[in-house]
Amino acid sequence: DVKVTQSSRYLVKRTGEKVFLECVQDMDHENMFWYRQDPGLGLRLIYFSYDVKMKEKGDIPEGYSVSREKKERFSLILESASTNQTSMYLCASETANTEAFFGQGTRLTVV
Amino acid sequence: QKEVEQNSGPLSVPEGAIASLNCTYSDRGSQSFFWYRQYSGKSPELIMSIYSNGDKEDGRFTAQLNKASQYVSLLIRDSQPSDSATYLCAVNRGRDDKIIFGKGTRLHILP
Repeated sequence: DVKVTQSSRYLVKRTGEKVFLECVQDMDHENMFWYRQDPGLGLRLIYFSYDVKMKEKGDIPEGYSVSREKKERFSLILESASTNQTSMYLCASETANTEAFFGQGTRLTVV
Repeated sequence: QKEVEQNSGPLSVPEGAIASLNCTYSDRGSQSFFWYRQYSGKSPELIMSIYSNGDKEDGRFTAQLNKASQYVSLLIRDSQPSDSATYLCAVNRGRDDKIIFGKGTRLHILP
């Protein structure tokens, strides 16, 4: 079975902190994604990566950056956390043109 | 026009009846189509994928794809209370391998 693991299930951070969300997949997938999910807005793509050290902006990249130094790991970075970044963050991985598998999600609260 | 559109619901269906969920997409070049189920507080889980026109059946679930009409649907036969969840339609655009999600339809199975 594909396994996508996110480093934290729940996280509380202060405004202005630098926040790292980690995601690891064990199926050698090329593509990895970060989404955020908010009530009424659905899943919105923040960034995705189709190879090591490659990244593409999604629909809402402002305030975020990403890092993919190894194929299995894709990190989302909030450079300076703000309260409007309080959300559920979901990592997913897939191999070309097939279904995406999700991690368990990280519920981030910025206070 | 939104890339992937779904009726937000809630859709209420009596137990044992057929639930019908619909989705339209805007990018004609899209190649892959998926239905995910998401329970409250959980991450999305894949229930069906479909890649070519027509019907695809898996147990109580049938996915239908009509690329000419840019329309995807999911039928759930013999609906059970455990089917109560939000159903997300997702489309892989193919040209850039981005997976775009609809906002989801909330399904409520009435006992």
